Amino acid sequence: GAGVSQSPSNKVTEKGKDVELRCDPISGHTALYWYRQSLGQGLEFLIYFQGNSAPDKSGLPSDRFSAERTGGSVSTLTIQRTQQEDSAVYLCASSRPWEETQYFGPGTRLLVL
Amino acid sequence: GQNIDQPTEMTATEGAIVQINCTYQTSGFNGLFWYQQHAGEAPTFLSYNVLDGLEEKGRFSSFLSRSKGYSYLLLKELQMKDSASYLCAVRPGAGNMLTFGGGTRLMVKP
Repeated sequence: GAGVSQSPSNKVTEKGKDVELRCDPISGHTALYWYRQSLGQGLEFLIYFQGNSAPDKSGLPSDRFSAERTGGSVSTLTIQRTQQEDSAVYLCASSRPWEETQYFGPGTRLLVL
Repeated sequence: GQNIDQPTEMTATEGAIVQINCTYQTSGFNGLFWYQQHAGEAPTFLSYNVLDGLEEKGRFSSFLSRSKGYSYLLLKELQMKDSASYLCAVRPGAGNMLTFGGGTRLMVKP
């Protein structure tokens, strides 16, 4: 596709359940980022993948959060034992290795009841 | 720590000019970005400044002063479709992750 795609677009889950969010970056983009945008808040960095290097996980808020990137392309963000405070829009972005600009996907809106 | 401040909301009139300010205090500096985000949509890139001065791109311009930790986004000839949130973001270090301000919600009125 032409842009970053994310699925699902919306997810409603019950507290304590696990969820998986998927991101398909733009073809050829080696860098991939996950951010979280809570209601009325700015975007918060979660994790960053660059090529085959070890990911930068410094933004993950707790050990319930994890992410992987298979084959240097698709990424999955997993939240275990979801809590109500995990409710937010989860945004994925990708970029070329030589380019400054990050291109964002439409996000997954997660609601934890 | 990282701190990026911008006004929460601004209102302007169609056809006018508006300036959205952003001040930052970060552990390092490796570029400042402005993104536009319409409600319920993905942020889209507007501008990038890494050196002091003004970058102009059509109706949008962005200014940076690294010594003052200050940037602004200037929107000219405002249109109704410019109603959106404008996000200021700094890349603090060599890694590419961005630190965002809370965003400025701009409302353009007829």
